[in-house]
Amino acid sequence: GAVVSQHPSRVICKSGTSVKIECRSLDFQATTMFWYRQFPKQSLMLMATSNEGSKATYEQGVEKDKFLINHASLTLSTLTVTSAHPEDSSFYICSARGTGDSPLHFGNGTRLTVT
Amino acid sequence: GENVEQHPSTLSVQEGDSAVIKCTYSDSASNYFPWYKQELGKRPQLIIDIRSNVGEKKDQRIAVTLNKTAKHFSLHITETQPEDSAVYFCAASGLVTGGGNKLTFGTGTQLKVEL
Repeated sequence: GAVVSQHPSRVICKSGTSVKIECRSLDFQATTMFWYRQFPKQSLMLMATSNEGSKATYEQGVEKDKFLINHASLTLSTLTVTSAHPEDSSFYICSARGTGDSPLHFGNGTRLTVT
Repeated sequence: GENVEQHPSTLSVQEGDSAVIKCTYSDSASNYFPWYKQELGKRPQLIIDIRSNVGEKKDQRIAVTLNKTAKHFSLHITETQPEDSAVYFCAASGLVTGGGNKLTFGTGTQLKVEL
């Protein structure tokens, strides 16, 4: 079945620094990937839709200059949290869907802690 | 945009009993309804999904029903086991080729199966 790989799984960084998270589709091509954020005991909130070869589409309230998304190829999307602050600490999960009506598959997620 | 409501937020059942989780959605154009199981600190795992051209789907102890007129769908787990304990999320989206449609998630249900 479809596999989505995400790393790092955990990262701790200091306030003001930037962190890059990678999301790869290992056995299928994904023209579209999705980035979600999940706070403890809450649901998954869509941050943005990553489109290969074009700009990402951000959800309302998500700062595009703070959460930089690059979808450079059909198998790789990256999310960079710039100038991270403690309130950015969260669980970030990417997801991708293959062609046709295949289901959405999630990466393992990245636990970001900003100190 | 789509709005998905889910209840109950917590559900405790005795081992062997059935569990039912209900969701409603707002966008009549949605036609794909997956259910995910998420264990603590892990990625959501797809357990079952249903498309709008059917009213019910079953996979062993898990079943999902869909009422498009009322815009609600439900997850049914029979003969519950302790390993069913997790957070369950419903979701809704349109379904088009190319995988471009985003999922909107419900708020989640913490299911606890007690011995």
